[in-house]
Amino acid sequence: AQTVTQSQPEMSVQEAETVTLSCTYDTSESDYYLFWYKQPPSRQMILVIRQEAYKQQNATENRFSVNFQKAAKSFSLKISDSQLGDAAMYFCAYRNQAGTALIFGKGTTLSVSS
Amino acid sequence: NAGVTQTPKFRVLKTGQSMTLLCAQDMNHEYMYWYRQDPGMGLRLIHYSVGEGTTAKGEVPDGYNVSRLKKQNFLLGLESAAPSQTSVYFCASSPRTGWHEQFFGPGTRLTVL
Repeated sequence: AQTVTQSQPEMSVQEAETVTLSCTYDTSESDYYLFWYKQPPSRQMILVIRQEAYKQQNATENRFSVNFQKAAKSFSLKISDSQLGDAAMYFCAYRNQAGTALIFGKGTTLSVSS
Repeated sequence: NAGVTQTPKFRVLKTGQSMTLLCAQDMNHEYMYWYRQDPGMGLRLIHYSVGEGTTAKGEVPDGYNVSRLKKQNFLLGLESAAPSQTSVYFCASSPRTGWHEQFFGPGTRLTVL
C-alpha cells in the first residue's frame, strides 16, 4: 500500500523568505502523480502544484516549486518570497496509477510572520 | 460553473440518528470521492465511485454507505451515527483521464453527540 509522510507538523517563515516543506512517499508503482494542496482556515482544498513521476523536470508555479527525487521517493515544496496569504495547512498527496484515490500526508501547518 | 457543492455545510446529530450528505458536481466528471478529515490525520478516503451506478470502498468505509444514481451526484449516508464519526467531510470529483486532478467541495462539519 502506498503511504505519504510529512515529517514536519509545523513550520514558520518570515515574509519574503523561502521555506521548504518535506514529503516522502512509498510506492511500488512506476507511474504516478504527486500533488501539493493548500488548506487555508476557510477549509477549502486548493491545488498548489502537481508533478508527473515520469517527468524528471521539477514543476514550477510562480513562487512555488518542487524538488522531485524519484529514486529517493521525495517530493518537497519550496515557497519563495513568502507572503502572509501563504499561511495554511499544506498537504502532500500521491495519486495512484488507477486514478481512483489520493493518499494524503498528515499535513504541515505553515505560519508566516511579518 | 458551481464546481463541487456539498449539502449541508454544518450538522449536529445525536448518537444513533441517521443522515445523508449530498455532493453535486457540474463538471461532468466520471470519478467522485468522499473523504473525512480529522485533526492530525490528513484526509482519508471513505468511498469512491468511478461512474454512475458504481461504488467502491476506500480506506475507512465502516459505518458509511454511498450511492451514485446520477453521474453528477454522490451521496454519503450514515445509518446510525456514532461520536467517532465527528469529522469534516469532503467530497471531490475528477475526470477519468489525464491528471485525474481532484476538485474539492467546501466540506461539511458533522458533530455527533
